[in-house]
Amino acid sequence: AQSVTQPDIHITVSEGASLELRCNYSYGATPYLFWYVQSPGQGLQLLLKYFSGDTLVQGIKGFEAEFKRSQSSFNLRKPSVHWSDAAEYFCAVGDGNFNKFYFGSGTKLNVKP
Amino acid sequence: NAGVTQTPKFQVLKTGQSMTLQCAQDMNHEYMSWYRQDPGMGLRLIHYSVGAGITDQGEVPNGYNVSRSTTEDFPLRLLSAAPSQTSVYFCASSSSPDRGYGYTFGSGTRLTVV
Repeated sequence: AQSVTQPDIHITVSEGASLELRCNYSYGATPYLFWYVQSPGQGLQLLLKYFSGDTLVQGIKGFEAEFKRSQSSFNLRKPSVHWSDAAEYFCAVGDGNFNKFYFGSGTKLNVKP
Repeated sequence: NAGVTQTPKFQVLKTGQSMTLQCAQDMNHEYMSWYRQDPGMGLRLIHYSVGAGITDQGEVPNGYNVSRSTTEDFPLRLLSAAPSQTSVYFCASSSSPDRGYGYTFGSGTRLTVV
């Protein structure tokens, strides 16, 4: 069965520091992977997606993610975090028909001034 | 403004009451879905629809009904509310999920069942 694991529930980084949020997935075929961000009281916004091609994908707001098939991972990175990046981040995998998406439990990011 | 509109934003129900959560999108998206978000559990798919007249179950469909009579609307019905249905509900739509397009999410409905 498909599943997504985000092992870090909370992460705190200092403003200007680099960030990496971990995501591991379980899926039998080629995965279709997404990262979303949710600000408090808001819906989710798509940051980036991977479904084929280059394993390093660029997204909005300066985020990138790297697909590593051998590690079943799709970690999200940002070189320099801004205070406005404080939010909750969700990794998701879509099934082959894209009718069903499976989300991780989320990682809450706090940014210290 | 184009997007996904959910109403109401907040609702308190008594156990056993029924209600409908409304979702409308004006982007002509074929695919629509309902998720519930619970602390520590991420988002779980309740029901989805790939077009008008076509619906199917997700991970946690029990206690919920849906229908899709138009492309624009995808209401979620709770027939007999239970405290376990206390959650934040999100409606989402997509133009072409089979090409890897992500969702556009509504801002959510926070439901409390007492």
